[in-house]
Amino acid sequence: SQQGEEDPQALSIQEGENATMNCSYKTSINNLQWYRQNSGRGLVHLILIRSNEREKHSGRLRVTLDTSKKSSSLLITASRAADTASYFCATGAGSYQLTFGKGTKLSVIP
Amino acid sequence: DTAVSQTPKYLVTQMGNDKSIKCEQNLGHDTMYWYKQDSKKFLKIMFSYNNKELIINETVPNRFSPKSPDKAHLNLHINSLELGDSAVYFCASSQGPSGSHEQYFGPGTRLTVT
Repeated sequence: SQQGEEDPQALSIQEGENATMNCSYKTSINNLQWYRQNSGRGLVHLILIRSNEREKHSGRLRVTLDTSKKSSSLLITASRAADTASYFCATGAGSYQLTFGKGTKLSVIP
Repeated sequence: DTAVSQTPKYLVTQMGNDKSIKCEQNLGHDTMYWYKQDSKKFLKIMFSYNNKELIINETVPNRFSPKSPDKAHLNLHINSLELGDSAVYFCASSQGPSGSHEQYFGPGTRLTVT
């Protein structure tokens, strides 16, 4: 069953601007992960944040997690044209299953 | 070196045929998965294997049969292909339960059933 729900469905920004994508989920989780998918390619893991963490950074990426609101956000700072892709959140509950959302399609205009 | 590889990359076939997609990972991971991504980009788990044993078998028609000859391989065989099977199929692997570990994805196999 679908767990994560990204918002917005599509986002278009100018190069150099920041991009923020949100993810909401419904049940308790062990961790939440963000993935990127370039057109015609497989998914690439970006960040994993555990349920006892509130914020995590990786390069230009910043992820927050609010378990009380069952939501997460992915911030990409100083965006580049190469960041154009679909971004998915996925929730894990400690089992062998990750449940993916429908994704946010990000377009960065040079 | 490719971490998770799939063959073929593209597969065009007619309804009623039987086809297989192969997946191999060289990461030494214990767990492998098959996902189906539909035309709206929704990614849905189909199967999960841990140490060659089936862990998850979501509501998938029994025309789909995964086979794991060893920990590094997880193949997907599809019988009596239907138009609705057209999608991109992704293989993935993880070190342990994906609820706690990141997954590594293959490049995908685009299946078109005519």
